[in-house]
This record gives sequence, structure tokens and C-alpha cells, in this order.
Amino acid sequence: GAVVSQHPSWVICKSGTSVKIECRSLDFQATTMFWYRQFPKQSLMLMATSNEGSKATYEQGVEKDKFLINHASLTLSTLTVTSAHPEDSSFYICSASRASGSYTQYFGPGTRLTVL
Amino acid sequence: DAKTTQPPSMDCAEGRAANLPCNHSTISGNEYVYWYRQIHSQGPQYIIHGLKNNETNEMASLIITEDRKSSTLILPHATLRDTAVYYCIVRSYSGGGADGLTFGKGTHLIIQP
Repeated sequence: GAVVSQHPSWVICKSGTSVKIECRSLDFQATTMFWYRQFPKQSLMLMATSNEGSKATYEQGVEKDKFLINHASLTLSTLTVTSAHPEDSSFYICSASRASGSYTQYFGPGTRLTVL
Repeated sequence: DAKTTQPPSMDCAEGRAANLPCNHSTISGNEYVYWYRQIHSQGPQYIIHGLKNNETNEMASLIITEDRKSSTLILPHATLRDTAVYYCIVRSYSGGGADGLTFGKGTHLIIQP
């Protein structure tokens, strides 16, 4: 159990376009999902916390108008990178926290975004 | 959440036990110790977590000192597939699971054939 999927696994886009990344918890309900970003040779950095049915909470320095997060159901959260630029190229990883018990976070496989 | 300190890298021979230390001297009473690992270009994988008792599952054992200021993750019979960056993370439950994780630099464990 505790499987989290992401789609797509990788995407290449032109500068100025928008890209949507989906995160799904496949076998459990997650009231809270998280989005992280990882640049080469660095650790994961939390970008935002997403609660089902409410607005996301963004970490300091993360532009909420550029990284749009929607958490429409207990199993799906989406991250849209709007007007992407080459500096947005990164590895984007989501995680989902079980709604009860230990609140352990389970991570998706990640999405590699390359902006040309 | 309390900060953790881990060695940047470790080597271990295949088939031997890999013991990964973590220091969390400022841990408070309601904080759990979590271990994740990240294999290159993949999302982190949950390994194990504990509060104060030692824990064991199918992947690893977690030994937490009595004062809870440090812990050791044990992979009993390391294989080449265990080569990864291992992260020790301390996490509070005060937010009811609504808090994101703070990742340090972790330990790069290299299993040698």
C-alpha cells in the first residue's frame, strides 16, 4: 500500500508555456499533499502544502501565481508551472500524507521538467 | 522541527550490515525520527520511523538511544540496490500531519561489491 504516482515523469517545454503535473495517491486518501523541488546535487526543498478543498500554503520565496496548486479531491493534487522559464527546470516531487494514523508522507516518483 | 546531522558518505560491503548514524540532539518529546532514502533520479522512499522504542520492519531496523539524541538505521544485509542517499528527518506531529519535511544533505551510502 501507500503508492503515489506522478504524471508525466518527464516533460520538455518551450519558455513561456505552462506545464501541469499531476500527483495521485492510488490506494489511500490524503487530506494533505506536498510539493517539493530538487535542483541537481541538492536536497529536496518544500515548495507548498496543499489541503483538499482549500488554498495551498506556499513556502517563503515560492511565487504562488507562478506555481498554481489545485487539490480538488482526496487523491489528486496538481501543480501548474505558468510561463515557465529555463530557471524553472528542476525535478518536481509530490508527497501525500495519510489522513490518519502516523501521517507518514509517501512520495511520488518525481517529474523532470526541462524548459528550453 | 529539530535539526539532524549525518555523515556525508559511507561505504559498506555487499552482504554486510550497513549502520547509518544520525544525530538529533535538540529533538523534543513530540518529535518522531523518520528515515527515507533516495535512489538517483527517483522520489524518496519511506523506510521506517520511531518515537523512542526500537523499530523493525521488512526493510530495516531503527535503534534510538535512550536519551533520543541520536539514532542508527540498520540495513541488515546490504545489496547493491541499497546504494542511495539516506535522509534522517525529525518531525513533529503538532500540526496533525500537515507539516512538510525538511531534508538535510543526508548520507550517501555506497555498497561495494
